Amino acid sequence: GAGVSQSPSNKVTEKGKDVELRCDPISGHTALYWYRQSLGQGLEFLIYFQGNSAPDKSGLPSDRFSAERTGGSVSTLTIQRTQQEDSAVYLCASSFTGRTNYEQYFGPGTRLTVT
Amino acid sequence: SQQGEEDPQALSIQEGENATMNCSYKTSINNLQWYRQNSGRGLVHLILIRSNEREKHSGRLRVTLDTSKKSSSLLITASRAADTASYFCATSSITDSWGKLQFGAGTQVVVTP
Repeated sequence: GAGVSQSPSNKVTEKGKDVELRCDPISGHTALYWYRQSLGQGLEFLIYFQGNSAPDKSGLPSDRFSAERTGGSVSTLTIQRTQQEDSAVYLCASSFTGRTNYEQYFGPGTRLTVT
Repeated sequence: SQQGEEDPQALSIQEGENATMNCSYKTSINNLQWYRQNSGRGLVHLILIRSNEREKHSGRLRVTLDTSKKSSSLLITASRAADTASYFCATSSITDSWGKLQFGAGTQVVVTP
């Protein structure tokens, strides 16, 4: 079956521009997660959606970052007024449920470069 | 801050050898998971071990968990060139209301033919 997909795979943008990154989770998965991975580093949690509940936004690094999940499926991560330190790979994952003891399935990521 | 800390940061071995990497964490956990990442893109789930389990096997993978020492190890037996990747441990803390995972910085494994 289809896995988690993300688009675009690569994005180069100029400093100060806004960008939108898209994630299509696995069908039927109620939980969706966004992570950021800087070069050679581990994953930094950004935001978590579970069904129609209010998202856990505790990992968003600044108010320039926001995310939506429409209809409990597709999610968009928006970064406004991008900065060079925003350059990273942005990974989306989904799981059957957000409860513990469930594995997360990752998309291939979007590599964002801010020039 | 990262919950899991992998050791070593990098590991280089020959095909056929075993690869062992360790993960230490700070808080009490519900479970610990290991993931593999090829070429800096998406992660692939390898194995999940719950806090009440001590050892788990999956193919050539063996994971141990010692909750008293707050540590885990991942052993890859009879390694292959295709095992070249970064390996991450991730923990689910009992203090989190949902299955939030905190990832370590990873171990880079290179298997040479």
